[in-house]
Amino acid sequence: DVKVTQSSRYLVKRTGEKVFLECVQDMDHENMFWYRQDPGLGLRLIYFSYDVKMKEKGDIPEGYSVSREKKERFSLILESASTNQTSMYLCASSLLGGTAQPQHFGDGTRLSIL
Amino acid sequence: AQKVTQAQTEISVVEKEDVTLDCVYETRDTTYYLFWYKQPPSGELVFLIRRNSFDEQNEISGRYSWNFQKSTSSFNFTITASQVVDSAVYFCALTGYGSGYALNFGKGTSLLVTP
Repeated sequence: DVKVTQSSRYLVKRTGEKVFLECVQDMDHENMFWYRQDPGLGLRLIYFSYDVKMKEKGDIPEGYSVSREKKERFSLILESASTNQTSMYLCASSLLGGTAQPQHFGDGTRLSIL
Repeated sequence: AQKVTQAQTEISVVEKEDVTLDCVYETRDTTYYLFWYKQPPSGELVFLIRRNSFDEQNEISGRYSWNFQKSTSSFNFTITASQVVDSAVYFCALTGYGSGYALNFGKGTSLLVTP
């Protein structure tokens, strides 16, 4: 089975801090994604990556950056955390291909910015 | 642009009732893919099904069935004889080449099945 592991299940940080959310997958997937989930808004794509050192902006990239130095690891960075970034963050991975492969999700990180 | 609409925010049924979750989508891609995911209270998203735009066959998997109709841009999900364990938030999602195969999710339908 595909395993997508997010480094923290719960995280509390302060306004202005630089925050790192880590995601690791063990199935050699090319694609990796970061979403945030908010009540009433569903899941929204922040960034995705289809290869090492490659990244593409999603629908809501403002205030975030990402890093993919190794194929199995995709990091989401909040450069200067703000309270409106309090949310559930979900990482996913999938195979690259001419067809859309199912994305496999981690358990999520519930981030609170105080 | 792609869009997924799940008009039902919350549904409550009694165990053993059948329930249908609606999903309507918009896309300009000629080739696209539709998905359903389940998110139980524990939080992880579980993949249920993928459908491509060229395959309009309905699919049945145990108590779950899916009805894909391109003519109405709908991909509805029916649970037959619902059980308490079906209680979850269900998301419909859409992707295609134009979006780099990133998923566009609907806002989800919260299903509560009571004994």
